[in-house]
Amino acid sequence: NAGVMQNPRHLVRRRGQEARLRCSPMKGHSHVYWYRQLPEEGLKFMVYLQKENIIDESGMPKERFSAEFPKEGPSILRIQQVVRGDSAAYFCASSPPGGTNEKLFFGSGTQLSVL
Amino acid sequence: GENVEQHPSTLSVQEGDSAVIKCTYSDSASNYFPWYKQELGKRPQLIIDIRSNVGEKKDQRIAVTLNKTAKHFSLHITETQPEDSAVYFCAASPAPGGYQKVTFGTGTKLQVIP
Repeated sequence: NAGVMQNPRHLVRRRGQEARLRCSPMKGHSHVYWYRQLPEEGLKFMVYLQKENIIDESGMPKERFSAEFPKEGPSILRIQQVVRGDSAAYFCASSPPGGTNEKLFFGSGTQLSVL
Repeated sequence: GENVEQHPSTLSVQEGDSAVIKCTYSDSASNYFPWYKQELGKRPQLIIDIRSNVGEKKDQRIAVTLNKTAKHFSLHITETQPEDSAVYFCAASPAPGGYQKVTFGTGTKLQVIP
């Protein structure tokens, strides 16, 4: 049973370009969470999705950031017109359906560097 | 919303000594408290968790304690080893059922000196 898969592992973008980060949850998991981690800082919640639904996007910046989790395929975190401040590690986590879904399984993260 | 505070931000101990990391939370509805370990350049991984109906839980060299009245919980690592060096995150989550969001503390960088 493969774990949470994130790609790419490293992503370099120039200012103004778009960044697309992908996350495939563990098999059988239907909940996906995205977290951002700045150097020497903690994990900041961004968004929580279930299949085809955004449940909580309270941690997402209002502009340039969007997320989706389609019926088929991975969850995508999209950052438009990236700026240097977007440079960070972006972690995806998944959890199984049901009442005890608080245990998070993290992917290896995508390190985004904006030049 | 929930607010989790974690102390200290950095901690250095000699190999073999104990390490204690403390967290407080604000939302009395929280009743699940996991701890994650993140080694340098790696993903966070769950190492131990505790629910509010338990005051203490132990797993070999690590233990967690919970004081629900004071809204405090702590991670204790005994007989520390160099491989315990990592960043540790505490977290809090409300009761299971329905939507719940895990809120993380800011992390403690533990260095075990051989």
